Amino acid sequence: QQQVKQSPQSLIVQKGGISIINCAYENTAFDYFPWYQQFPGKGPALLIAIRPDVSEKKEGRFTISFNKSAKQFSLHIMDSQPGDSATYFCAASLLAGYSTLTFGKGTMLLVSP
Amino acid sequence: DAMVIQNPRYQVTQFGKPVTLSCSQTLNHNVMYWYQQKSSQAPKLLFHYYDKDFNNEADTPDNFQSRRPNTSFCFLDIRSPGLGDAAMYLCATSRAPGYGYTFGSGTRLTVV
Repeated sequence: QQQVKQSPQSLIVQKGGISIINCAYENTAFDYFPWYQQFPGKGPALLIAIRPDVSEKKEGRFTISFNKSAKQFSLHIMDSQPGDSATYFCAASLLAGYSTLTFGKGTMLLVSP
Repeated sequence: DAMVIQNPRYQVTQFGKPVTLSCSQTLNHNVMYWYQQKSSQAPKLLFHYYDKDFNNEADTPDNFQSRRPNTSFCFLDIRSPGLGDAAMYLCATSRAPGYGYTFGSGTRLTVV
């Protein structure tokens, strides 16, 4: 009930391409869906987040698409750059229930020059 | 800049020798978390404090303990580190549970 399933495990994209990472959740009560970016040897950093009352949120080259009926959300990185090479984690929580974040297993993205 | 600071960045300890990792924050956030992250894995929540209320995850080994003497500081104590405890330990903070975590840069623990 608390799982967040993330795919793919790893992804190679050419510079300038679109990177797409998908997550699916089981708990329909989740109401907060952030994405974190982690570089080697660093802690994760909040990249972008969405609440279930909107279907899409865009910040620069990063877009979250949210499908409430399918219980899925995805991260799209447009015009991917080598500096985007990192591990990306999706997560979910129930803010109203003061639950902690449940993380996906992560996707290692490599953007080739 | 407001931030989450973890010390030390790297810690080497002997098998069975108690070790303490520290975390401080200037964000004045109510919640502080400790995560364990092993190579190529997601962060695993060990415990968190919501103000002074301590919340232990069910599968956190008894070997791990935590202290939060005030809003700004939180400590992770590993009483008898084993080889399997070698990992990156991440501290995070948030205003409320589950929302907008700010992570520190982590402490890489090596057990020899």
